[in-house]
Amino acid sequence: AQSVAQPEDQVNVAEGNPLTVKCTYSVSGNPYLFWYVQYPNRGLQFLLKYITGDNLVKGSYGFEAEFNKSQTSFHLKKPSALVSDSALYFCAVNPSGTYKYIFGTGTRLKVLA
Amino acid sequence: DARVTQTPRDKVTEMGQEVTMRCQPILGHNTVFWYRQTMMQGLELLAYFRNRAPLDDSGMPKDRFSAEMPDATLATLKIQPSEPRDSAVYFCASAPGGGGELFFGEGSRLTVL
Repeated sequence: AQSVAQPEDQVNVAEGNPLTVKCTYSVSGNPYLFWYVQYPNRGLQFLLKYITGDNLVKGSYGFEAEFNKSQTSFHLKKPSALVSDSALYFCAVNPSGTYKYIFGTGTRLKVLA
Repeated sequence: DARVTQTPRDKVTEMGQEVTMRCQPILGHNTVFWYRQTMMQGLELLAYFRNRAPLDDSGMPKDRFSAEMPDATLATLKIQPSEPRDSAVYFCASAPGGGGELFFGEGSRLTVL
């Protein structure tokens, strides 16, 4: 079965430190990969996506993600965390440009001042 | 700034009542999704439409839920009769085509007493 895993329910990081939010997937073919962020009482907002090309993708608010085909991972990173980055982050996979998106369970990021 | 608009933002109702949630997708987007978010289940796909036609509503309880797109500017999700277990945040999302990022509305928070 196709799936997306976000192994950490919560990630805590000090402000100014680098952050990583992990995502691995089990999907056949060449899926499209996404990260979304959700702030309290808001909808999900698109951060970045990987379809093809360079394995390091840059997105909004200074976030980037690294695609690793052999490890089937798409980890979200940021070199220096801000308190305002505290939110719920979702990884999502779209199998080869279909209309079905598979979302992970979300990782709550808490950036401590 | 194009955005997906959902109404109502908050709805409190009694068990057994009919609830209708509305969504205005971004103009020109031909794909519309309904998701439900709860703490226990995370983000669940209820239904999606392409060019106003329902492609998949397998995630929706058929006996009480129905989803329609009367025209390209309006998608509706109806629950009749509502039950306390339907309490959740319901999100509408739209996309311009297959495989791209989704644009989410702010959600409709439903509480069924």
